[in-house]
Amino acid sequence: QVQLQESGPGLVKPSETLSLTCAVSGYSITSGYYWGWIRQPPGKGLEWIGNIYQSGSANYNPSLKSRVALSVDTSKNQFSLKLKSVTAADTAVYYCARRYYDSTLDTFDIWGQGTMVTVSS
Amino acid sequence: DIQMTQSPSSLSASIGDRVTITCRASQSISRSLNWYQHKPGKAPKLLIYGASSLQSGVPSRFSGSGSGTDFTLTINSLQPEDFATYYCQQSYTTPYMYNFGQGTKLEIK
Repeated sequence: QVQLQESGPGLVKPSETLSLTCAVSGYSITSGYYWGWIRQPPGKGLEWIGNIYQSGSANYNPSLKSRVALSVDTSKNQFSLKLKSVTAADTAVYYCARRYYDSTLDTFDIWGQGTMVTVSS
Repeated sequence: DIQMTQSPSSLSASIGDRVTITCRASQSISRSLNWYQHKPGKAPKLLIYGASSLQSGVPSRFSGSGSGTDFTLTINSLQPEDFATYYCQQSYTTPYMYNFGQGTKLEIK
């Protein structure tokens, strides 16, 4: 059973860098698929942040691209998100997810439970 | 950027009811549409992919339809565990962008 678990600081100061990690269990990241991050600000909908492959190849939401960096640590079977120069608008629940795709479908089929990150001084 | 608009934003229904949630894309996305169920504090759950294919393990009372710009999620015979927020998501512009609808909160009447 594939499981994802987010971890990281729940409070980040404005202008600093938000750093989160997603630990994957029950599946090896090196076996394939992309791994993604999605967030949900309080009272708002879901926003895709980006996806990364085991090789380190990544795609980012254009609206966040200048501030986001994703990375993969295959030795620890985990992937990470860094979002720099955060503001209160980055306050959200952050989810990690597996992007499952083939010739006929493209979905986020497995998600973590999410971690709340608040940007405040 | 493709905008995904869900309606209604919220609805109240009773156990046993049939409900329909609509998702409209700002441009044609063929059948590249997924539906998710989200309960507070839980991981979102994939229900439907490719507009109408049921994810393994999802009860058959859930169904999806549509293509192009207009899509629907139907839940037949509502059960207590179905009260949640539902999101549509387009994967037409994969892998460069994914857009979600704003969500539809399904509440018990």
